[in-house]
Amino acid sequence: AQKITQTQPGMFVQEKEAVTLDCTYDTSDPSYGLFWYKQPSSGEMIFLIYQGSYDQQNATEGRYSLNFQKARKSANLVISASQLGDSAMYFCAMRPLMNSGGYQKVTFGTGTKLQVIP
Amino acid sequence: NAGVTQTPKFQVLKTGQSMTLQCAQDMNHNSMYWYRQDPGMGLRLIYYSASEGTTDKGEVPNGYNVSRLNKREFSLRLESAAPSQTSVYFCACDQGFTRPQHFGDGTRLSIL
Repeated sequence: AQKITQTQPGMFVQEKEAVTLDCTYDTSDPSYGLFWYKQPSSGEMIFLIYQGSYDQQNATEGRYSLNFQKARKSANLVISASQLGDSAMYFCAMRPLMNSGGYQKVTFGTGTKLQVIP
Repeated sequence: NAGVTQTPKFQVLKTGQSMTLQCAQDMNHNSMYWYRQDPGMGLRLIYYSASEGTTDKGEVPNGYNVSRLNKREFSLRLESAAPSQTSVYFCACDQGFTRPQHFGDGTRLSIL
């Protein structure tokens, strides 16, 4: 069974500062993908960044980077130079990548609410 | 660039009423999903459709039915709504396990 844990229900960060949102996971699958999504107060889910368990380098997408530590089973999201528009809920998710012919479930964490302070 | 379109955006029902949530995607993706989002619980999968013509149960299917009408459309039906089904419902699609899911804007459903 898969499990995603986001231990920070809420966080504050000063505008223009960097912030790290924690995500730890548990899985017995040898190959898996990790995703981060952003959900602003308007409600839509926006994909931010993806990391495959087999990737040698940490993923980056603009101001977002994923600090992937496979041995520690953590996939923390780092947002650099925070902006007011970054205030939102952030969800970590994981999916096995082995194609056993059936559906590979996406497991979501419970989210972290980030508030950026001017 | 519509992506995934859900209708309606808001709905209030009385206990025992039925309704269908509609979802359509123009991304040509094979797989489609229905999730519900409740406070403090993340997203939970209700039903999914790996491809046109197939549907399967997810984590919380009780009280729901789905129809994959064609490649584009995947509807979710509540036959007899219950207050426990008050939630925000998201439709999503994707094309492969390494690809992100693309979500609709959600339907806020309240059942009194």
